[in-house]
Amino acid sequence: QSVLTQPPSASGTPGQRVTISCSGSSSNIGSNTVNWYQQLPGTAPKLLIYSNNQRPSGVPDRFSGSKSGTSASLAISGLQSEDEADYYCAAWDDSLNGKDVVFGGGTKLTVL
Amino acid sequence: EVQLVQSGAEVKKPGESLRISCKGSGYSFTSYWISWVRQMPGKGLEWMGRIDPSDSYTNYSPSFQGHVTISADKSISTAYLQWSSLKASDTAMYYCARQPLAMVTFDPWGQGTLVTVSS
Repeated sequence: QSVLTQPPSASGTPGQRVTISCSGSSSNIGSNTVNWYQQLPGTAPKLLIYSNNQRPSGVPDRFSGSKSGTSASLAISGLQSEDEADYYCAAWDDSLNGKDVVFGGGTKLTVL
Repeated sequence: EVQLVQSGAEVKKPGESLRISCKGSGYSFTSYWISWVRQMPGKGLEWMGRIDPSDSYTNYSPSFQGHVTISADKSISTAYLQWSSLKASDTAMYYCARQPLAMVTFDPWGQGTLVTVSS
């Protein structure tokens, strides 16, 4: 059971807009920034969004992130077939032991 | 180019020890933490822990504390993940990732090391 909750799957057709949610609590998303990672089949994860809504250089502006309270979202507009991948959210969690990194369980995006 | 290159795939028997490596290049190795992330077959990402190569301070996830050891040799820009006694349940892909101090921004990631533990 992951600390951050994501839907296990999402889908859309080419050109559509899709959103993926990430739900947490006051000890993680509520008090820390959220990052998103994209993992294409058979490859290592790649940073997609950092600090809630910032895109690293090279990431298309079709990808955007937002955060409100204890939840965050990743939006993909103009969906393309190459966006078919697993997407993970991550954040610090302020635990009794200090700060731990927690991931969401991942969302498998299918482009129909 | 900033790069993390991990050691190759390993096949081990239960009870054996193992150390895998992650070599950084293209940046100041002691200016960033290195985290290790596990991905079991068909499953999601799990953070195992991190090391600050400048002073070898480590921080482990409670789920992995006592089961693995993270270390680094800053003289050769390499971080390590090791087990003293492997179990079949350690079978997984292991990734290292560069982490700016106090951020959860893992970038870049190593290519991954597949560890298979089977009798």
